Amino acid sequence: ETGVTQTPRHLVMGMTNKKSLKCEQHLGHNAMYWYKQSAKKPLELMFVYNFKEQTENNSVPSRFSPECPNSSHLFLHLHTLQPEDSALYLCASSQGSYSNQPQHFGDGTRLSIL
Amino acid sequence: TQLLEQSPQFLSIQEGENLTVYCNSSSVFSSLQWYRQEPGEGPVLLVTVVTGGEVKKLKRLTFQFGDARKDSSLHITAAQPGDTGLYLCAGAENSGGSNYKLTFGKGTLLTVNP
Repeated sequence: ETGVTQTPRHLVMGMTNKKSLKCEQHLGHNAMYWYKQSAKKPLELMFVYNFKEQTENNSVPSRFSPECPNSSHLFLHLHTLQPEDSALYLCASSQGSYSNQPQHFGDGTRLSIL
Repeated sequence: TQLLEQSPQFLSIQEGENLTVYCNSSSVFSSLQWYRQEPGEGPVLLVTVVTGGEVKKLKRLTFQFGDARKDSSLHITAAQPGDTGLYLCAGAENSGGSNYKLTFGKGTLLTVNP
């Protein structure tokens, strides 16, 4: 039990589908993050939310749409994705987005685009 | 965005051997974190180093932050099969105001054979 729960764990979708990834943290943290992990690439930060406000959008294509209704929940809405979007999507949370705060990760959603 | 280079990318050793992995950058980070990621799971924080020259020990793992806060190393003594995993370093950089974001290296994939 990591304290950060992601669902679903696996998702296969066609390029025209719409789906959503969900992340929930039970740690009382204020900051939440979405990362993309692809083979042979570093973890790529996608979005950061601090107290429900988006503080970072790392030039992510608009086919990815984040939503943070409260400090405990984070969603990533997916629409008309491309094959290169197949990857492991990781959610993380931390107590504020300060330099030495550790991030607690979920186990990710493995996304495959057909 | 600052870049972090990790080396080696892959390391396969026998149980009982010692090893060192490196994390290098040309830029200065506010702090540096080391994570370990096992298959099918998210990264888990091992340590955070903040001060240049800092050394931290976690059982058989020794972490060092370079004097100039641009590089770090992780030394494992008498490696065990349970040490197998992907070791990620992540540097914290200011993203505006009091907010920081992590830049990850590609990781070192360590396999310890019994």
